Amino acid sequence: DAKTTQPNSMESNEEEPVHLPCNHSTISGTDYIHWYRQLPSQGPEYVIHGLTSNVNNRMASLAIAEDRKSSTLILHRATLRDAAVYYCILRGRNFGNEKLTFGTGTRLTIIP
Amino acid sequence: GAGVSQTPSNKVTEKGKYVELRCDPISGHTALYWYRQSLGQGPEFLIYFQGTGAADDSGLPNDRFFAVRPEGSVSTLKIQRTERGDSAVYLCASSLTATSLNTGELFFGEGSRLTVL
Repeated sequence: DAKTTQPNSMESNEEEPVHLPCNHSTISGTDYIHWYRQLPSQGPEYVIHGLTSNVNNRMASLAIAEDRKSSTLILHRATLRDAAVYYCILRGRNFGNEKLTFGTGTRLTIIP
Repeated sequence: GAGVSQTPSNKVTEKGKYVELRCDPISGHTALYWYRQSLGQGPEFLIYFQGTGAADDSGLPNDRFFAVRPEGSVSTLKIQRTERGDSAVYLCASSLTATSLNTGELFFGEGSRLTVL
């Protein structure tokens, strides 16, 4: 599986935008980019995913570099509830390759 | 709610004992996953079921670990002769179909915390 690299931790002030980076220089042309987050004492939850184009949903935006070797998860206005570990994951599109491989993620701290 | 349910939420056992952890996926989800998460680490894949069959068990660490899903819904993760190193949170997730056929969104339960003394 292609690997992703994320900073171990980040801090952001409440009510400000947060940009969480992810490098995936060995991404293949068929890999989707997925983001999950894990709140304290909970299982991970899906945030967003994309292939080539930028994506928006109610939780966040995903900006994908033109060469697809990096991406950025954007939380437009961080709240205290956004404090979590954020995982950037590559998922192949080949049938039979079904597992998601998590790294250690970025621990996001929100400062009130 | 109708999310993924895992029982027990906490299990304390002694070294050498047998443990079963149960996962009740979202109704209608055919794909089911088990992950293990140690403190400070991301979830580590153990096994994936499509229906009743284990389609990928490459993450099971050794033959003390076994999982079943006899009717294609509820799954049980079984650990024999537990060791202190098995202490972790065991997470279950389900997906409507194989992730390669859909958005790839997994729905996780809150996990079962296993402590082996």
